[in-house]
Amino acid sequence: AQSVTQLGSHVSVSEGALVLLRCNYSSSVPPYLFWYVQYPNQGLQLLLKYTSAATLVKGINGFEAEFKKSETSFHLTKPSAHMSDAAEYFCAVSDGSNYQLIWGAGTKLIIKP
Amino acid sequence: SAVISQKPSRDICQRGTSLTIQCQVDSQVTMMFWYRQQPGQSLTLIATANQGSEATYESGFVIDKFPISRPNLTFSTLTVSNMSPEDSSIYLCSVHGGGGTDTQYFGPGTRLTVL
Repeated sequence: AQSVTQLGSHVSVSEGALVLLRCNYSSSVPPYLFWYVQYPNQGLQLLLKYTSAATLVKGINGFEAEFKKSETSFHLTKPSAHMSDAAEYFCAVSDGSNYQLIWGAGTKLIIKP
Repeated sequence: SAVISQKPSRDICQRGTSLTIQCQVDSQVTMMFWYRQQPGQSLTLIATANQGSEATYESGFVIDKFPISRPNLTFSTLTVSNMSPEDSSIYLCSVHGGGGTDTQYFGPGTRLTVL
């Protein structure tokens, strides 16, 4: 069965520093991969998705993620953190067979002034 | 992407009562999903709702507790029945975005507190 692991339930970075949120998946089939963001008291918003085109995917708000099949990883990065990036980030994977997404546990991003 | 609204946005309910959550989409979609997000947790899929057929429930969720209606391609409801404090969660609906990539688009959620 598919699974998604997000390393670190909480990640704290200083404003202006690099943001790195880790996501690893378990799959022998190249999946579709997603990052969603949830701001406080809101629903989930799609940040970006990998769908077997370019391995480096650019998303909204300056975020990007790189699909590395050999490492089964899809880590999310942003060169310079902003206070408005404080939110919960979820990685999800689909194997394309049953329309459902498998969700990671989420990583809360904390931005220090 | 689809625009999704949910009603109510939040509610505080007494144990033993029921609450019906509405999900409205601005375009016709085949698949809709209902999720529960318990405090500080990730998303747990409750059921998949397709128009014209009964909802498909995930393990641990039953129709008597979470009845779902899907009367047309733009609307669905989820009822949380006979509520207990353990049902306090955010309930989210989402829609399958089509296009073969399984992208889902989410509503703003309903924050439920059961006293």
